[in-house]
Parts: sequence; structure tokens; C-alpha cells
Amino acid sequence: EAGVAQSPRYKIIEKRQSVAFWCNPISGHATLYWYQQILGQGPKLLIQFQNNGVVDDSQLPKDRFSAERLKGVDSTLKIQPAKLEDSAVYLCASSLDGAAGEQFFGPGTRLTVL
Amino acid sequence: EDQVTQSPEALRLQEGESSSLNCSYTVSGLRGLFWYRQDPGKGPEFLFTLYSAGEEKEKERLKATLTKKESFLHITAPKPEDSATYLCAVQARGGADGLTFGKGTHLIIQP
Repeated sequence: EAGVAQSPRYKIIEKRQSVAFWCNPISGHATLYWYQQILGQGPKLLIQFQNNGVVDDSQLPKDRFSAERLKGVDSTLKIQPAKLEDSAVYLCASSLDGAAGEQFFGPGTRLTVL
Repeated sequence: EDQVTQSPEALRLQEGESSSLNCSYTVSGLRGLFWYRQDPGKGPEFLFTLYSAGEEKEKERLKATLTKKESFLHITAPKPEDSATYLCAVQARGGADGLTFGKGTHLIIQP
């Protein structure tokens, strides 16, 4: 079974530029999550989708971050404009059933903002 | 607000030296407690889910236990390949299903 795919794996940008990350979840998984992991910290939830609807985006900085999940499969996370403090690894995870179900993580995208 | 505190932050053991990692949590109502392993440059890898106090689960040299306030990850006779960061997370009842993670314990097993 193929795992969660993410691209790109690494991205370096200047502050105030924009960037987008892509995620393809495990086939058949209805729930998709984006987490932000700052160096030395545990992952922090940014947004949760159930199929193509948003379930929780309470911790998403909506003035600069946006996310969508078209057709209930792939998802993109965008940052515009980026700040220095956005430097982190952005992890995508998916689960078959969000409620107490295992969340499977992708390899992440490491973003460096200069 | 849900909170997870892991200790110690880092632990260095000799190969074969057993120990335990601690995860203390506060949550409005626990749906599940999760343990993940994370290797450098990779995403977290699922290890266990525990649902109720008294529950235990084992996998190879790892055993996870749960009480009403904390969870322990016991590692027996560890090998160098067990070196990784171990993350604990909680999922609360009701509402959304996102996990609240601790900062992790960085475990190093020396040959």
C-alpha cells in the first residue's frame, strides 16, 4: 500500500514570497490533516479536512495560510506572504476514519524562509 | 486546552539497558493516546493507540501503558536501531480529530 506522498521535499524562499505544498493521501482515506513541526517541537495541527470539507481550521493563520482539498483527494497548503517564523516542516497525514483512527504521515516538506 | 508533556527531553542508554519514557497529559475527555516514532528527516511512524486506563500494548521491544493522567513507553533491551524521537499525542472526545503532540523524547542507544 502506497503511503502519503508530499512534494516538494525541500523549499527555500525569501520572506514575503509565496509557496505551495502538495499532498496525496493514502487511497480511500477520507480524512486529511496538515501539521506544522518547528525544529525541536512536536507537530501542531493546522487544518483538518473530511472529504473536501473543512472540519477544523482553528489554528490556521488565515491571514497568510490557505488550504484546499479539491475532489476530496489531493490537497494543497499555501503560504502568502511567508514570514521568517514559518520556517518548519509541513507534514500531511491521512486516516481512514478520523475518530480515534491511526493517522499516517507523509515525509514532510522542509521550508526555509530567509 | 489539551496539553501533553514528555520527559525526559533526551535519554542516552547503552545497548541492552532498559528504561521508560513518560507522557503526562491533560485533556477534556480522552478519545485516544498515540505513540509515534520519528527518525531524522522523516514523518512520524505510528506505534500504538491506547484508549482506556489500564490498557497495555506491545510491539517487539516496546510496551505502552496508560493511566488516567499519564502513559509510559517501556523499552526493553534496546538496540541501536531503536534510536529515534518518540512522540506522544492525545485526541480529545468530541469536535475535530486532530492530535495534540508533546515535544518528544530524543532517545539514543549506544552500542
